[in-house]
Amino acid sequence: QVQLQESGPGLVKPSQTLSLTCTVSGGSFSSGDYYWNWIRQRPGKGLEWIGFISYTGSTYYNPSLKSRIIISVDTSKNQFSLKLSSVTAADTAVYYCARDPPPNTFNFDYWGQGTLVTVSS
Amino acid sequence: EIVMTQSPATLSVSPGERATLSCRASQSVSSNLAWYQQKPGQAPRLLIHGASTRATTIPARFSGSGSGTEFTLTISGLQSEDFAVYYCQQYNIWPTFGQGTRVEIK
Repeated sequence: QVQLQESGPGLVKPSQTLSLTCTVSGGSFSSGDYYWNWIRQRPGKGLEWIGFISYTGSTYYNPSLKSRIIISVDTSKNQFSLKLSSVTAADTAVYYCARDPPPNTFNFDYWGQGTLVTVSS
Repeated sequence: EIVMTQSPATLSVSPGERATLSCRASQSVSSNLAWYQQKPGQAPRLLIHGASTRATTIPARFSGSGSGTEFTLTISGLQSEDFAVYYCQQYNIWPTFGQGTRVEIK
């Protein structure tokens, strides 16, 4: 059974960088067929796709966030990570990691439980 | 950016009845449309992809239809576990989500 688990600080100061890691267990990470995504949900709001990374390190980012995002992968640890720079209160959200299976058409079939990140001084 | 608009915002339905949820895209997304269910404190769950294909383990009472800019999610014979928020999502270029429809008990 595939499982995804987000981890990282729950509180980040304005103007700093938000850093989160998603650890994948259950065997699908190393197959190379999946895209690994970050999605967020601001309080009381809908969902916003942030970006994805492939096993080989190819990335694709939401154009509205692209200038502030870096998504990286550590295949030795079955992990991928998100860095979002210059955060403001508007970046306060529950951050999810999610899997996109072949044929990689942004259908998110497995999700982490989500982690709340609050941006506040 | 393709904007997804869902209606109604809230739908009140009695258990056992049918719920019909609508989703409209600001431009054609062909059949590149998915539906998700989200319960409080949980991550979304994929219900439908390709506008009408049920995801693995999703019961047959959930059905999706539409193409282009108009889509519908129908839940036939609502059960207690179906009361939740439902989101549509397009993936024609980069993915965007609707604002959700809350299905509540009437």
